[in-house]
Amino acid sequence: EPEVTQTPSHQVTQMGQEVILRCVPISNHLYFYWYRQILGQKVEFLVSFYNNEISEKSEIFDDQFSVERPDGSNFTLKIRSTKLEDSAMYFCASRYRDRGRGETQYFGPGTRLLVL
Amino acid sequence: EDKVVQSPLSLVVHEGDTVTLNCSYEVTNFRSLLWYKQEKKAPTFLFMLTSSGIEKKSGRLSSILDKKELFSILNITATQTGDSAVYLCAVPSTYNTDKLIFGTGTRLQVFP
Repeated sequence: EPEVTQTPSHQVTQMGQEVILRCVPISNHLYFYWYRQILGQKVEFLVSFYNNEISEKSEIFDDQFSVERPDGSNFTLKIRSTKLEDSAMYFCASRYRDRGRGETQYFGPGTRLLVL
Repeated sequence: EDKVVQSPLSLVVHEGDTVTLNCSYEVTNFRSLLWYKQEKKAPTFLFMLTSSGIEKKSGRLSSILDKKELFSILNITATQTGDSAVYLCAVPSTYNTDKLIFGTGTRLQVFP
């Protein structure tokens, strides 16, 4: 069964450094998402992406964050200058192009980011 | 504001027990409700519910939606240690079909 994949599984970085988290969505999906989960807290929406542009972003997704789909398969989340509070598990998700199949988003295994 | 509330926050049972997990929601324009199982990492999709009163079933897991009372339940019968996980409930946002609003989850621990 097709899956969303993410790399790396873990990333440790120093405060102020840039990180790029990578995702390969399911191949026939056209809607892509990033969520994050701070340890012990809810899964929170960050951004959604469709047709090569951001369709919605949350308050968390400030100017330090950006997303890109550099080729036909990868979907990346960049944090330009990491802060301690960016430490979290970051999940990528994707959804079928056919809206008639509903809202089901399929999640990747996540990247655990630790900012020191 | 869209909201999803799950209860209980945690549950500890023995193998063979039956459990019921609850999810209530407040969204102005309801379209669907999703259940996920989160073990160590990724939320894994279980069910999507759109219609009241129709039970979705997968093995020992089943779920039903009550759109009048704005809640859903997830039942697990004859629990096994492999059912230990956090169970998440989510609904698509009223204002945009893209983002999912998640509850805090119910942490289920099944002991032998």
